[in-house]
Order: sequence, then C-alpha cells, then structure tokens
Amino acid sequence: AQSVTQPDIHITVSEGASLELRCNYSYGATPYLFWYVQSPGQGLQLLLKYFSGDTLVQGIKGFEAEFKRSQSSFNLRKPSVHWSDAAEYFCAVGAGSQGNLIFGKGTKLSVKP
Amino acid sequence: SQTIHQWPATLVQPVGSPLSLECTVEGTSNPNLYWYRQAAGRGLQLLFYSVGIGQISSEVPQNLSASRPQDRQFILSSKKLLLSDSGFYLCAWSSGDYGYTFGSGTRLTVV
Repeated sequence: AQSVTQPDIHITVSEGASLELRCNYSYGATPYLFWYVQSPGQGLQLLLKYFSGDTLVQGIKGFEAEFKRSQSSFNLRKPSVHWSDAAEYFCAVGAGSQGNLIFGKGTKLSVKP
Repeated sequence: SQTIHQWPATLVQPVGSPLSLECTVEGTSNPNLYWYRQAAGRGLQLLFYSVGIGQISSEVPQNLSASRPQDRQFILSSKKLLLSDSGFYLCAWSSGDYGYTFGSGTRLTVV
C-alpha cells in the first residue's frame, strides 16, 4: 500500500539558516509527489510538485525539493529560512486512478529569531 | 478562476447533535471533491471523496456521511456527533490530476 513518512514531527531552525524537511514514500510505480504548507487555522497551500523529468523541483516562496528514486525520498529544502516560514509542512504522494493524495503526518517548523 | 468555499469556519456543537458542513466550488465543472479531517498529531485523514453527483466513496468507517447533491457542492453530515468527531475539517477539489485546492477549513469542537 502507498504511504508517506515524515520522520520529523517538529523542527526548530534559526532565521537565516538552511532547512531540510524529510519525506519518504512507499509506492510501486513512478510516484507523483507534492509538498504542501499549512499556516495555523488555515487550509493547505501547494508549494511544489513532481510528476516527471528534472528531479530537482522549484516551488513557491523559495522552496525546492529533490526526488531521489533510489532512496524513495522527496526532501524539501530552503537555503535561508524566514520567520514567515513557520508553519506545518505536509508531503503527499498521488495514488489511485481517482487522483487521490496520501499525506504524511506533517512536520511543524518553528523559526527562532 | 476557480475558488472553493467552506463554511462555517468554526463550530461548537454538543454531543449527540447533528452536523452539516458545506463546501462549494466555483469556476470549474465535474471536479473531484474530498473531505479530510485533521486531528492533532495525526496528519490528514481522507474521509470521503466524490468523482460525480451522487457518487461517494468512504475511506474509513465512522459516524459521518457525505453527499453530493449538485456538481459543485459537497456536504459532510452526522446524525449524532461524538466527542471524537472534534477536529479540523478540510474540503478540497481537483480536476483528477492530483492538483488539489483546499478550502480554509472548519474547526469543529464537540462538547
């Protein structure tokens, strides 16, 4: 069965530091992979997605993610974190013929001034 | 452009009372529609999805039901709420290509 694992429940980084959020997936075929961000009390916003092609994907707000098939990973990165990046981040994999997404449990990011 | 509306934003309901949450989409036709529940520390749980009017698929057995009376309307209901129904409920739509757009959510507290 398809699944997504985000090993880190909570990460704290200093403003200006680099960030990497981990995501591992389990899927039999070529996966469709996504990263979403959720601010407190809000819905989810799509940061970036990978369907095929270049394994390094650029997204909004300066985020990027790299698909590594050999490691079944799709880690999210940002070179310099801003205080406004504090939020919860969800990795997801597309599964099934209906276009359904399976989400990880999320990683909460806190940013220290 | 497409927009998704979800209401109410917050709701406090007593145990045993009924529930109706509504989600509507504008600017698209025949969308796939989804209801998710988000509980603290448990990520997003897919509750129901619909690929067309009257077509509802349930992902987990529970105290809730869903209906799609119109193409762009998706309703989440319960006849009798339980304490465990508390959570943040999110509606989403897609055109079937995994491009989800989420509503702003409803915070339900059952007391």
